[in-house]
Amino acid sequence: GAGVSQTPSNKVTEKGKYVELRCDPISGHTALYWYRQSLGQGPEFLIYFQGTGAADDSGLPNDRFFAVRPEGSVSTLKIQRTERGDSAVYLCASSLTGTYNEQFFGPGTRLTVL
Amino acid sequence: AQRVTQPEKLLSVFKGAPVELKCNYSYSGSPELFWYVQYSRQRLQLLLRHISRESIKGFTADLNKGETSFHLKKPFAQEEDSAMYYCALANFGNEKLTFGTGTRLTIIP
Repeated sequence: GAGVSQTPSNKVTEKGKYVELRCDPISGHTALYWYRQSLGQGPEFLIYFQGTGAADDSGLPNDRFFAVRPEGSVSTLKIQRTERGDSAVYLCASSLTGTYNEQFFGPGTRLTVL
Repeated sequence: AQRVTQPEKLLSVFKGAPVELKCNYSYSGSPELFWYVQYSRQRLQLLLRHISRESIKGFTADLNKGETSFHLKKPFAQEEDSAMYYCALANFGNEKLTFGTGTRLTIIP
């Protein structure tokens, strides 16, 4: 079956602009995660959804970052007033409900802020 | 705060030689540990997890609570093992993963 998909695969924007990154999880997966991976670093947790609600948003770096999952499937990560430091690969993952279930990752969106 | 440390950014090993990728963690509880792998031009994927006690592609990892380590081992390296390896930790009751910085493993033919 289809895995996790993310669009766009690459996004180049200018400092100060608004961007939206989309994630389509595996069908039936109720848990959805966003991570950010900067060059030379491991993925860093941003936010976790269980169904439609954000169960843990402790990783969002500031209020410029926001994510939604209105119907419990597709999720959108929104970044306002982008800064050069936001440049990174944004990864989405999904899993079945339950502690320690395998997270299935998407290919990522590479965001470049000029 | 929980933390995962992978001290080696790069590791080169000859084909057929043993491999050990180091991972240490700090967490004040009972964590679950994972190894994720990213092959060239592929997405990040689970290699193995402590709770399953399994061997995948010849790799094993033992959780040593005394040394707070979860090193990944394979007795005989193969060329297809070349990849980026990440150690990760999850809290019980909270499914987010905390990753290390990764080790790039290169197998020399």
